[in-house]
Amino acid sequence: DTEVTQTPKHLVMGMTNKKSLKCEQHMGHRAMYWYKQKAKKPPELMFVYSYEKLSINESVPSRFSPECPNSSLLNLHLHALQPEDSALYLCASSQGTGGTGANVLTFGAGSRLTVL
Amino acid sequence: AQKITQTQPGMFVQEKEAVTLDCTYDTSDQSYGLFWYKQPSSGEMIFLIYQGSYDEQNATEGRYSLNFQKARKSANLVISASQLGDSAMYFCAMSPNTGFQKLVFGTGTRLLVSP
Repeated sequence: DTEVTQTPKHLVMGMTNKKSLKCEQHMGHRAMYWYKQKAKKPPELMFVYSYEKLSINESVPSRFSPECPNSSLLNLHLHALQPEDSALYLCASSQGTGGTGANVLTFGAGSRLTVL
Repeated sequence: AQKITQTQPGMFVQEKEAVTLDCTYDTSDQSYGLFWYKQPSSGEMIFLIYQGSYDEQNATEGRYSLNFQKARKSANLVISASQLGDSAMYFCAMSPNTGFQKLVFGTGTRLLVSP
């Protein structure tokens, strides 16, 4: 069983909808991540939170809005998405962000988003 | 900038045989980390193995080993005694050792294990 839990597993939304993806971990990790993975492509980093503060935003459009309410939770709020935003959204966490083997990322199973 | 290259879009192996998945990388960093992840059709990215650029020994984790050749900038994954459950997409990734925040992934290799 994955230790990073993502809900919902599948989401279909219209371009005018507002929805959220949720991610939870109880490993005491202090860094959390959102990655986007288009079909048949590798994952691409979107956001990084470190100690509940946004540390990296990879120039993601503002229709994606991340939120880290506490060290265990990470949300991705979605508004006015486009069909090209359809993808698998992967959440990950790590103990920290330093360059050691202790900080390897643990991923969730992903939320598969379809925008109509 | 860092770049990861996986030249094998697909690989086939028979059950119980060993298989090597290739990965080469390019970086100007002196210190970096190399990773392999497995992604079954369910979508989850499963961490397999990590190698630090200054680690002198090749990393091993159970049936997985990383054949690290620093001078050639290669970090091949060796899976011994393949199992049917090993069928999945495999991604090589790297990040500077200043922090693992920015993982850069290769394009992946799809492995199919046949009975």
